[in-house]
Amino acid sequence: IVLTQSPLSLPVIPGEPASISCRSTQTLLHSSGINYLDWYLQKPGQSPRLLIYFGSNRASGVPDRFSGSGSGTDFTLKISRVEAEDVGVYYCMQPLQTPYTFGQGTKLEIK
Amino acid sequence: EVQLVESGGGLVQPGGSLRLSCAASGFTFSNYWMHWVRQAPGKGLVWISRINNDGSSTSYADSVKGRFTISRDNAKNTLYLQMSSLRAEDTAVYYCVRRSCTNSECSFDYWGQGTLVTVSS
Repeated sequence: IVLTQSPLSLPVIPGEPASISCRSTQTLLHSSGINYLDWYLQKPGQSPRLLIYFGSNRASGVPDRFSGSGSGTDFTLKISRVEAEDVGVYYCMQPLQTPYTFGQGTKLEIK
Repeated sequence: EVQLVESGGGLVQPGGSLRLSCAASGFTFSNYWMHWVRQAPGKGLVWISRINNDGSSTSYADSVKGRFTISRDNAKNTLYLQMSSLRAEDTAVYYCVRRSCTNSECSFDYWGQGTLVTVSS
């Protein structure tokens, strides 16, 4: 399964919204009705951190300005109002089947 | 507090071997499937391998199959990655990752800080 993210670079003005797309070559919708698509953020110099699991569920402690949506092969991560602390590289990942695969990453920077 | 601490990285010559360890603490290690994910310098994340909770089932990325072996010692709360026939393209930071699955959630919820492996002559 190949995941393609866009854009790969995302300059954003603080307070403005941001959106990242992740498209899969195969459906990530399991027969259980769960979309197996996660979003992770890797801040500079840090290990990745979980933001969203099952396509749209926010992980514990993740601010509600982050939201995930989509189903099947098309998914989106949205940040309603970007803050300076949101800079880093965002990755989508599919854990539906091995080998698990990640998107190329989207680098969010502050304008 | 959940902690995953990798060790064993370093400089190794092409064709050489290295064993990475990941010491787990703060949770019941034997209840969780564990994974290795790597990141080449300046590049993205790549899933490498996983092992189930009792070590009876493993899976590998094609890029490392036959060269890397994942294992665990639940008595020592430690995950391992034995790497052999190392190539320059194996140069990366290697992360130990916990996969946590409940009735309502399944995710890579904890990541180690990573250990750098450099394959070079």
